[in-house]
Amino acid sequence: DSGVTQTPKHLITATGQRVTLRCSPRSGDLSVYWYQQSLDQGLQFLIQYYNGEERAKGNILERFSAQQFPDLHSELNLSSLELGDSALYFCASSVATHDSTDTQYFGPGTRLTVL
Amino acid sequence: KNQVEQSPQSLIILEGKNCTLQCNYTVSPFSNLRWYKQDTGRGPVSLTIMTFSENTKSNGRYTATLDADTKQSSLHITASQLSDSASYICVVIPNTGGFKTIFGAGTRLFVKA
Repeated sequence: DSGVTQTPKHLITATGQRVTLRCSPRSGDLSVYWYQQSLDQGLQFLIQYYNGEERAKGNILERFSAQQFPDLHSELNLSSLELGDSALYFCASSVATHDSTDTQYFGPGTRLTVL
Repeated sequence: KNQVEQSPQSLIILEGKNCTLQCNYTVSPFSNLRWYKQDTGRGPVSLTIMTFSENTKSNGRYTATLDADTKQSSLHITASQLSDSASYICVVIPNTGGFKTIFGAGTRLFVKA
């Protein structure tokens, strides 16, 4: 158990819908990262927050957004869902930012299926 | 284009044997290079983290090496166990604005009894 929690574990929805994925980092970790893992594209970095502020942005679509709240939990919002958004979404946390050598601890993931 | 390429794509070895996985990258400069182990359907687990100036880093039976001149890294697994069956992913974090983490496609390792 990494100490990172993600809810829900599974999510099935229809195209065009909007969903919210939630992540609680390990106690004491200030950074939260979101990743997408699909069969055809592998793991991709989406976005990082550090202590409530956006720190780095990767291949995140405009239909996706995220935020980190004062209690440091984070939410990833996916809207206007398409079939290709079906994937495993991982959250990870670390003490500092990922340009340091801090270990990132990954959560168990949320499996999103868009029908 | 910054890339991270891993080989082989998959590998089958017998329990107790050693193996080496390769990672070639074109990302430069970079902040650090990481190796992760990922069991099917689970989150990746960090094995090693190396900065540009480090040549080797060990974590139990896992040893990663880095050759910045040839832009190659390898992950050596000693005395493999059945539980080593997993995907091993090489990750490079560029040292440029945005820090867009770049993942390799992974090597799928199967350890057989």
